[in-house]
Amino acid sequence: LAKTTQPISMDSYEGQEVNITCSHNNIATNDYITWYQQFPSQGPRFIIQGYKTKVTNEVASLFIPADRKSSTLSLPRVSLSDTAVYYCLVGDVQAGTALIFGKGTTLSVSS
Amino acid sequence: NAGVTQTPKFQVLKTGQSMTLQCAQDMNHNSMYWYRQDPGMGLRLIYYSASEGTTDKGEVPNGYNVSRLNKREFSLRLESAAPSQTSVYFCASSPTRTQGPHYGYTFGSGTRLTVV
Repeated sequence: LAKTTQPISMDSYEGQEVNITCSHNNIATNDYITWYQQFPSQGPRFIIQGYKTKVTNEVASLFIPADRKSSTLSLPRVSLSDTAVYYCLVGDVQAGTALIFGKGTTLSVSS
Repeated sequence: NAGVTQTPKFQVLKTGQSMTLQCAQDMNHNSMYWYRQDPGMGLRLIYYSASEGTTDKGEVPNGYNVSRLNKREFSLRLESAAPSQTSVYFCASSPTRTQGPHYGYTFGSGTRLTVV
């Protein structure tokens, strides 16, 4: 299982774009990159998933360079409700391989 | 569409008691997982089942057993509860190959277990 490294915490203000970068130097060929969001007292929620290049959905964008050794989650124009813990995970999800969660990045958004 | 349902939501056990945490998903996912989360910590994998009929140990399997009863249900059993097992337990499920469009996990709302 590829190990990931991401910042422990980040601060932002409402309306700003937030970019959280995750390093995964040992990513394997079949591994996907998945990001989750977790609010206190709730289970994690799937945000976005990608294999290479760029993926965008209604919530976020995921940028993956050609070497796939890192990825960046981009949250456009954050609001107070985006304050949460964000986890970056890497693994062969197509095969049902279990993902190992790290400590995640605690994002604090202020007004 | 209920997603992943966990029961019970809260439980208090005495040291040495046993109990089973239930998890069921209605999304026809192949894979299911059990995680625990201690205060201020990330999630740690206890056991998982990549497909019906298979189970594998995760990071912290000691003191737990699992049963993949059928494709929908994946239960977690504590045979002799210890205070160190006080935690929030999350069950999750995910699709696998050919089940697309993505392979993200869907988590349940958790079971908050206290062992005294």
